[in-house]
Amino acid sequence: DGGITQSPKYLFRKEGQNVTLSCEQNLNHDAMYWYRQDPGQGLRLIYYSQIVNDFQKGDIAEGYSVSREKKESFPLTVTSAQKNPTAFYLCASSIKTGWDNQPQHFGDGTRLSIL
Amino acid sequence: AQKITQTQPGMFVQEKEAVTLDCTYDTSDQSYGLFWYKQPSSGEMIFLIYQGSYDEQNATEGRYSLNFQKARKSANLVISASQLGDSAMYFCAMREHLSGGYQKVTFGTGTKLQVIP
Repeated sequence: DGGITQSPKYLFRKEGQNVTLSCEQNLNHDAMYWYRQDPGQGLRLIYYSQIVNDFQKGDIAEGYSVSREKKESFPLTVTSAQKNPTAFYLCASSIKTGWDNQPQHFGDGTRLSIL
Repeated sequence: AQKITQTQPGMFVQEKEAVTLDCTYDTSDQSYGLFWYKQPSSGEMIFLIYQGSYDEQNATEGRYSLNFQKARKSANLVISASQLGDSAMYFCAMREHLSGGYQKVTFGTGTKLQVIP
């Protein structure tokens, strides 16, 4: 079945360590997104990409980095510069066409905690 | 810049009753899309319903309908005949077009719905 796979489901980070969250999709979607969700909060956009080798900063990009070397993959690195990384991270993808009713499809998320 | 406001942090509804979750938005765009998602305690985001800014009819999907009032910039979600499985967080979201052909989706802070037996 087509979908978005995020791994790992749970991740623990030590102080000063970079960690990378994986996001893979087999939906043939052009656009991919990373969101951060804090307890009781909505989703905030970290980075998004609409074509390979191109990505844009979202609302809270500081302390994060991404790459888009393949259409199917959009990994997110949480760097040591991100001082409060504990959150639930959601990856999404969507068709990149004009105005359409296609929603974003989401992965099951990764819960990142600081040790 | 666009903004999505959900003013109800939490709602209770009796099983089998209808409930309305509020959403207002702010945008200067003429063309935009509005979405509602459900997030159970397990964390996945489930798409429920979509409304385009140019759609003249309110969207409906099974027990879900969207009460779209464009002049008021509101897009309330109505769930009819609530079920225990409807207990979850509900998010309103808006898609806008940016320069360079990019699209961005902004989410509200959500409403936690609890269905009471």
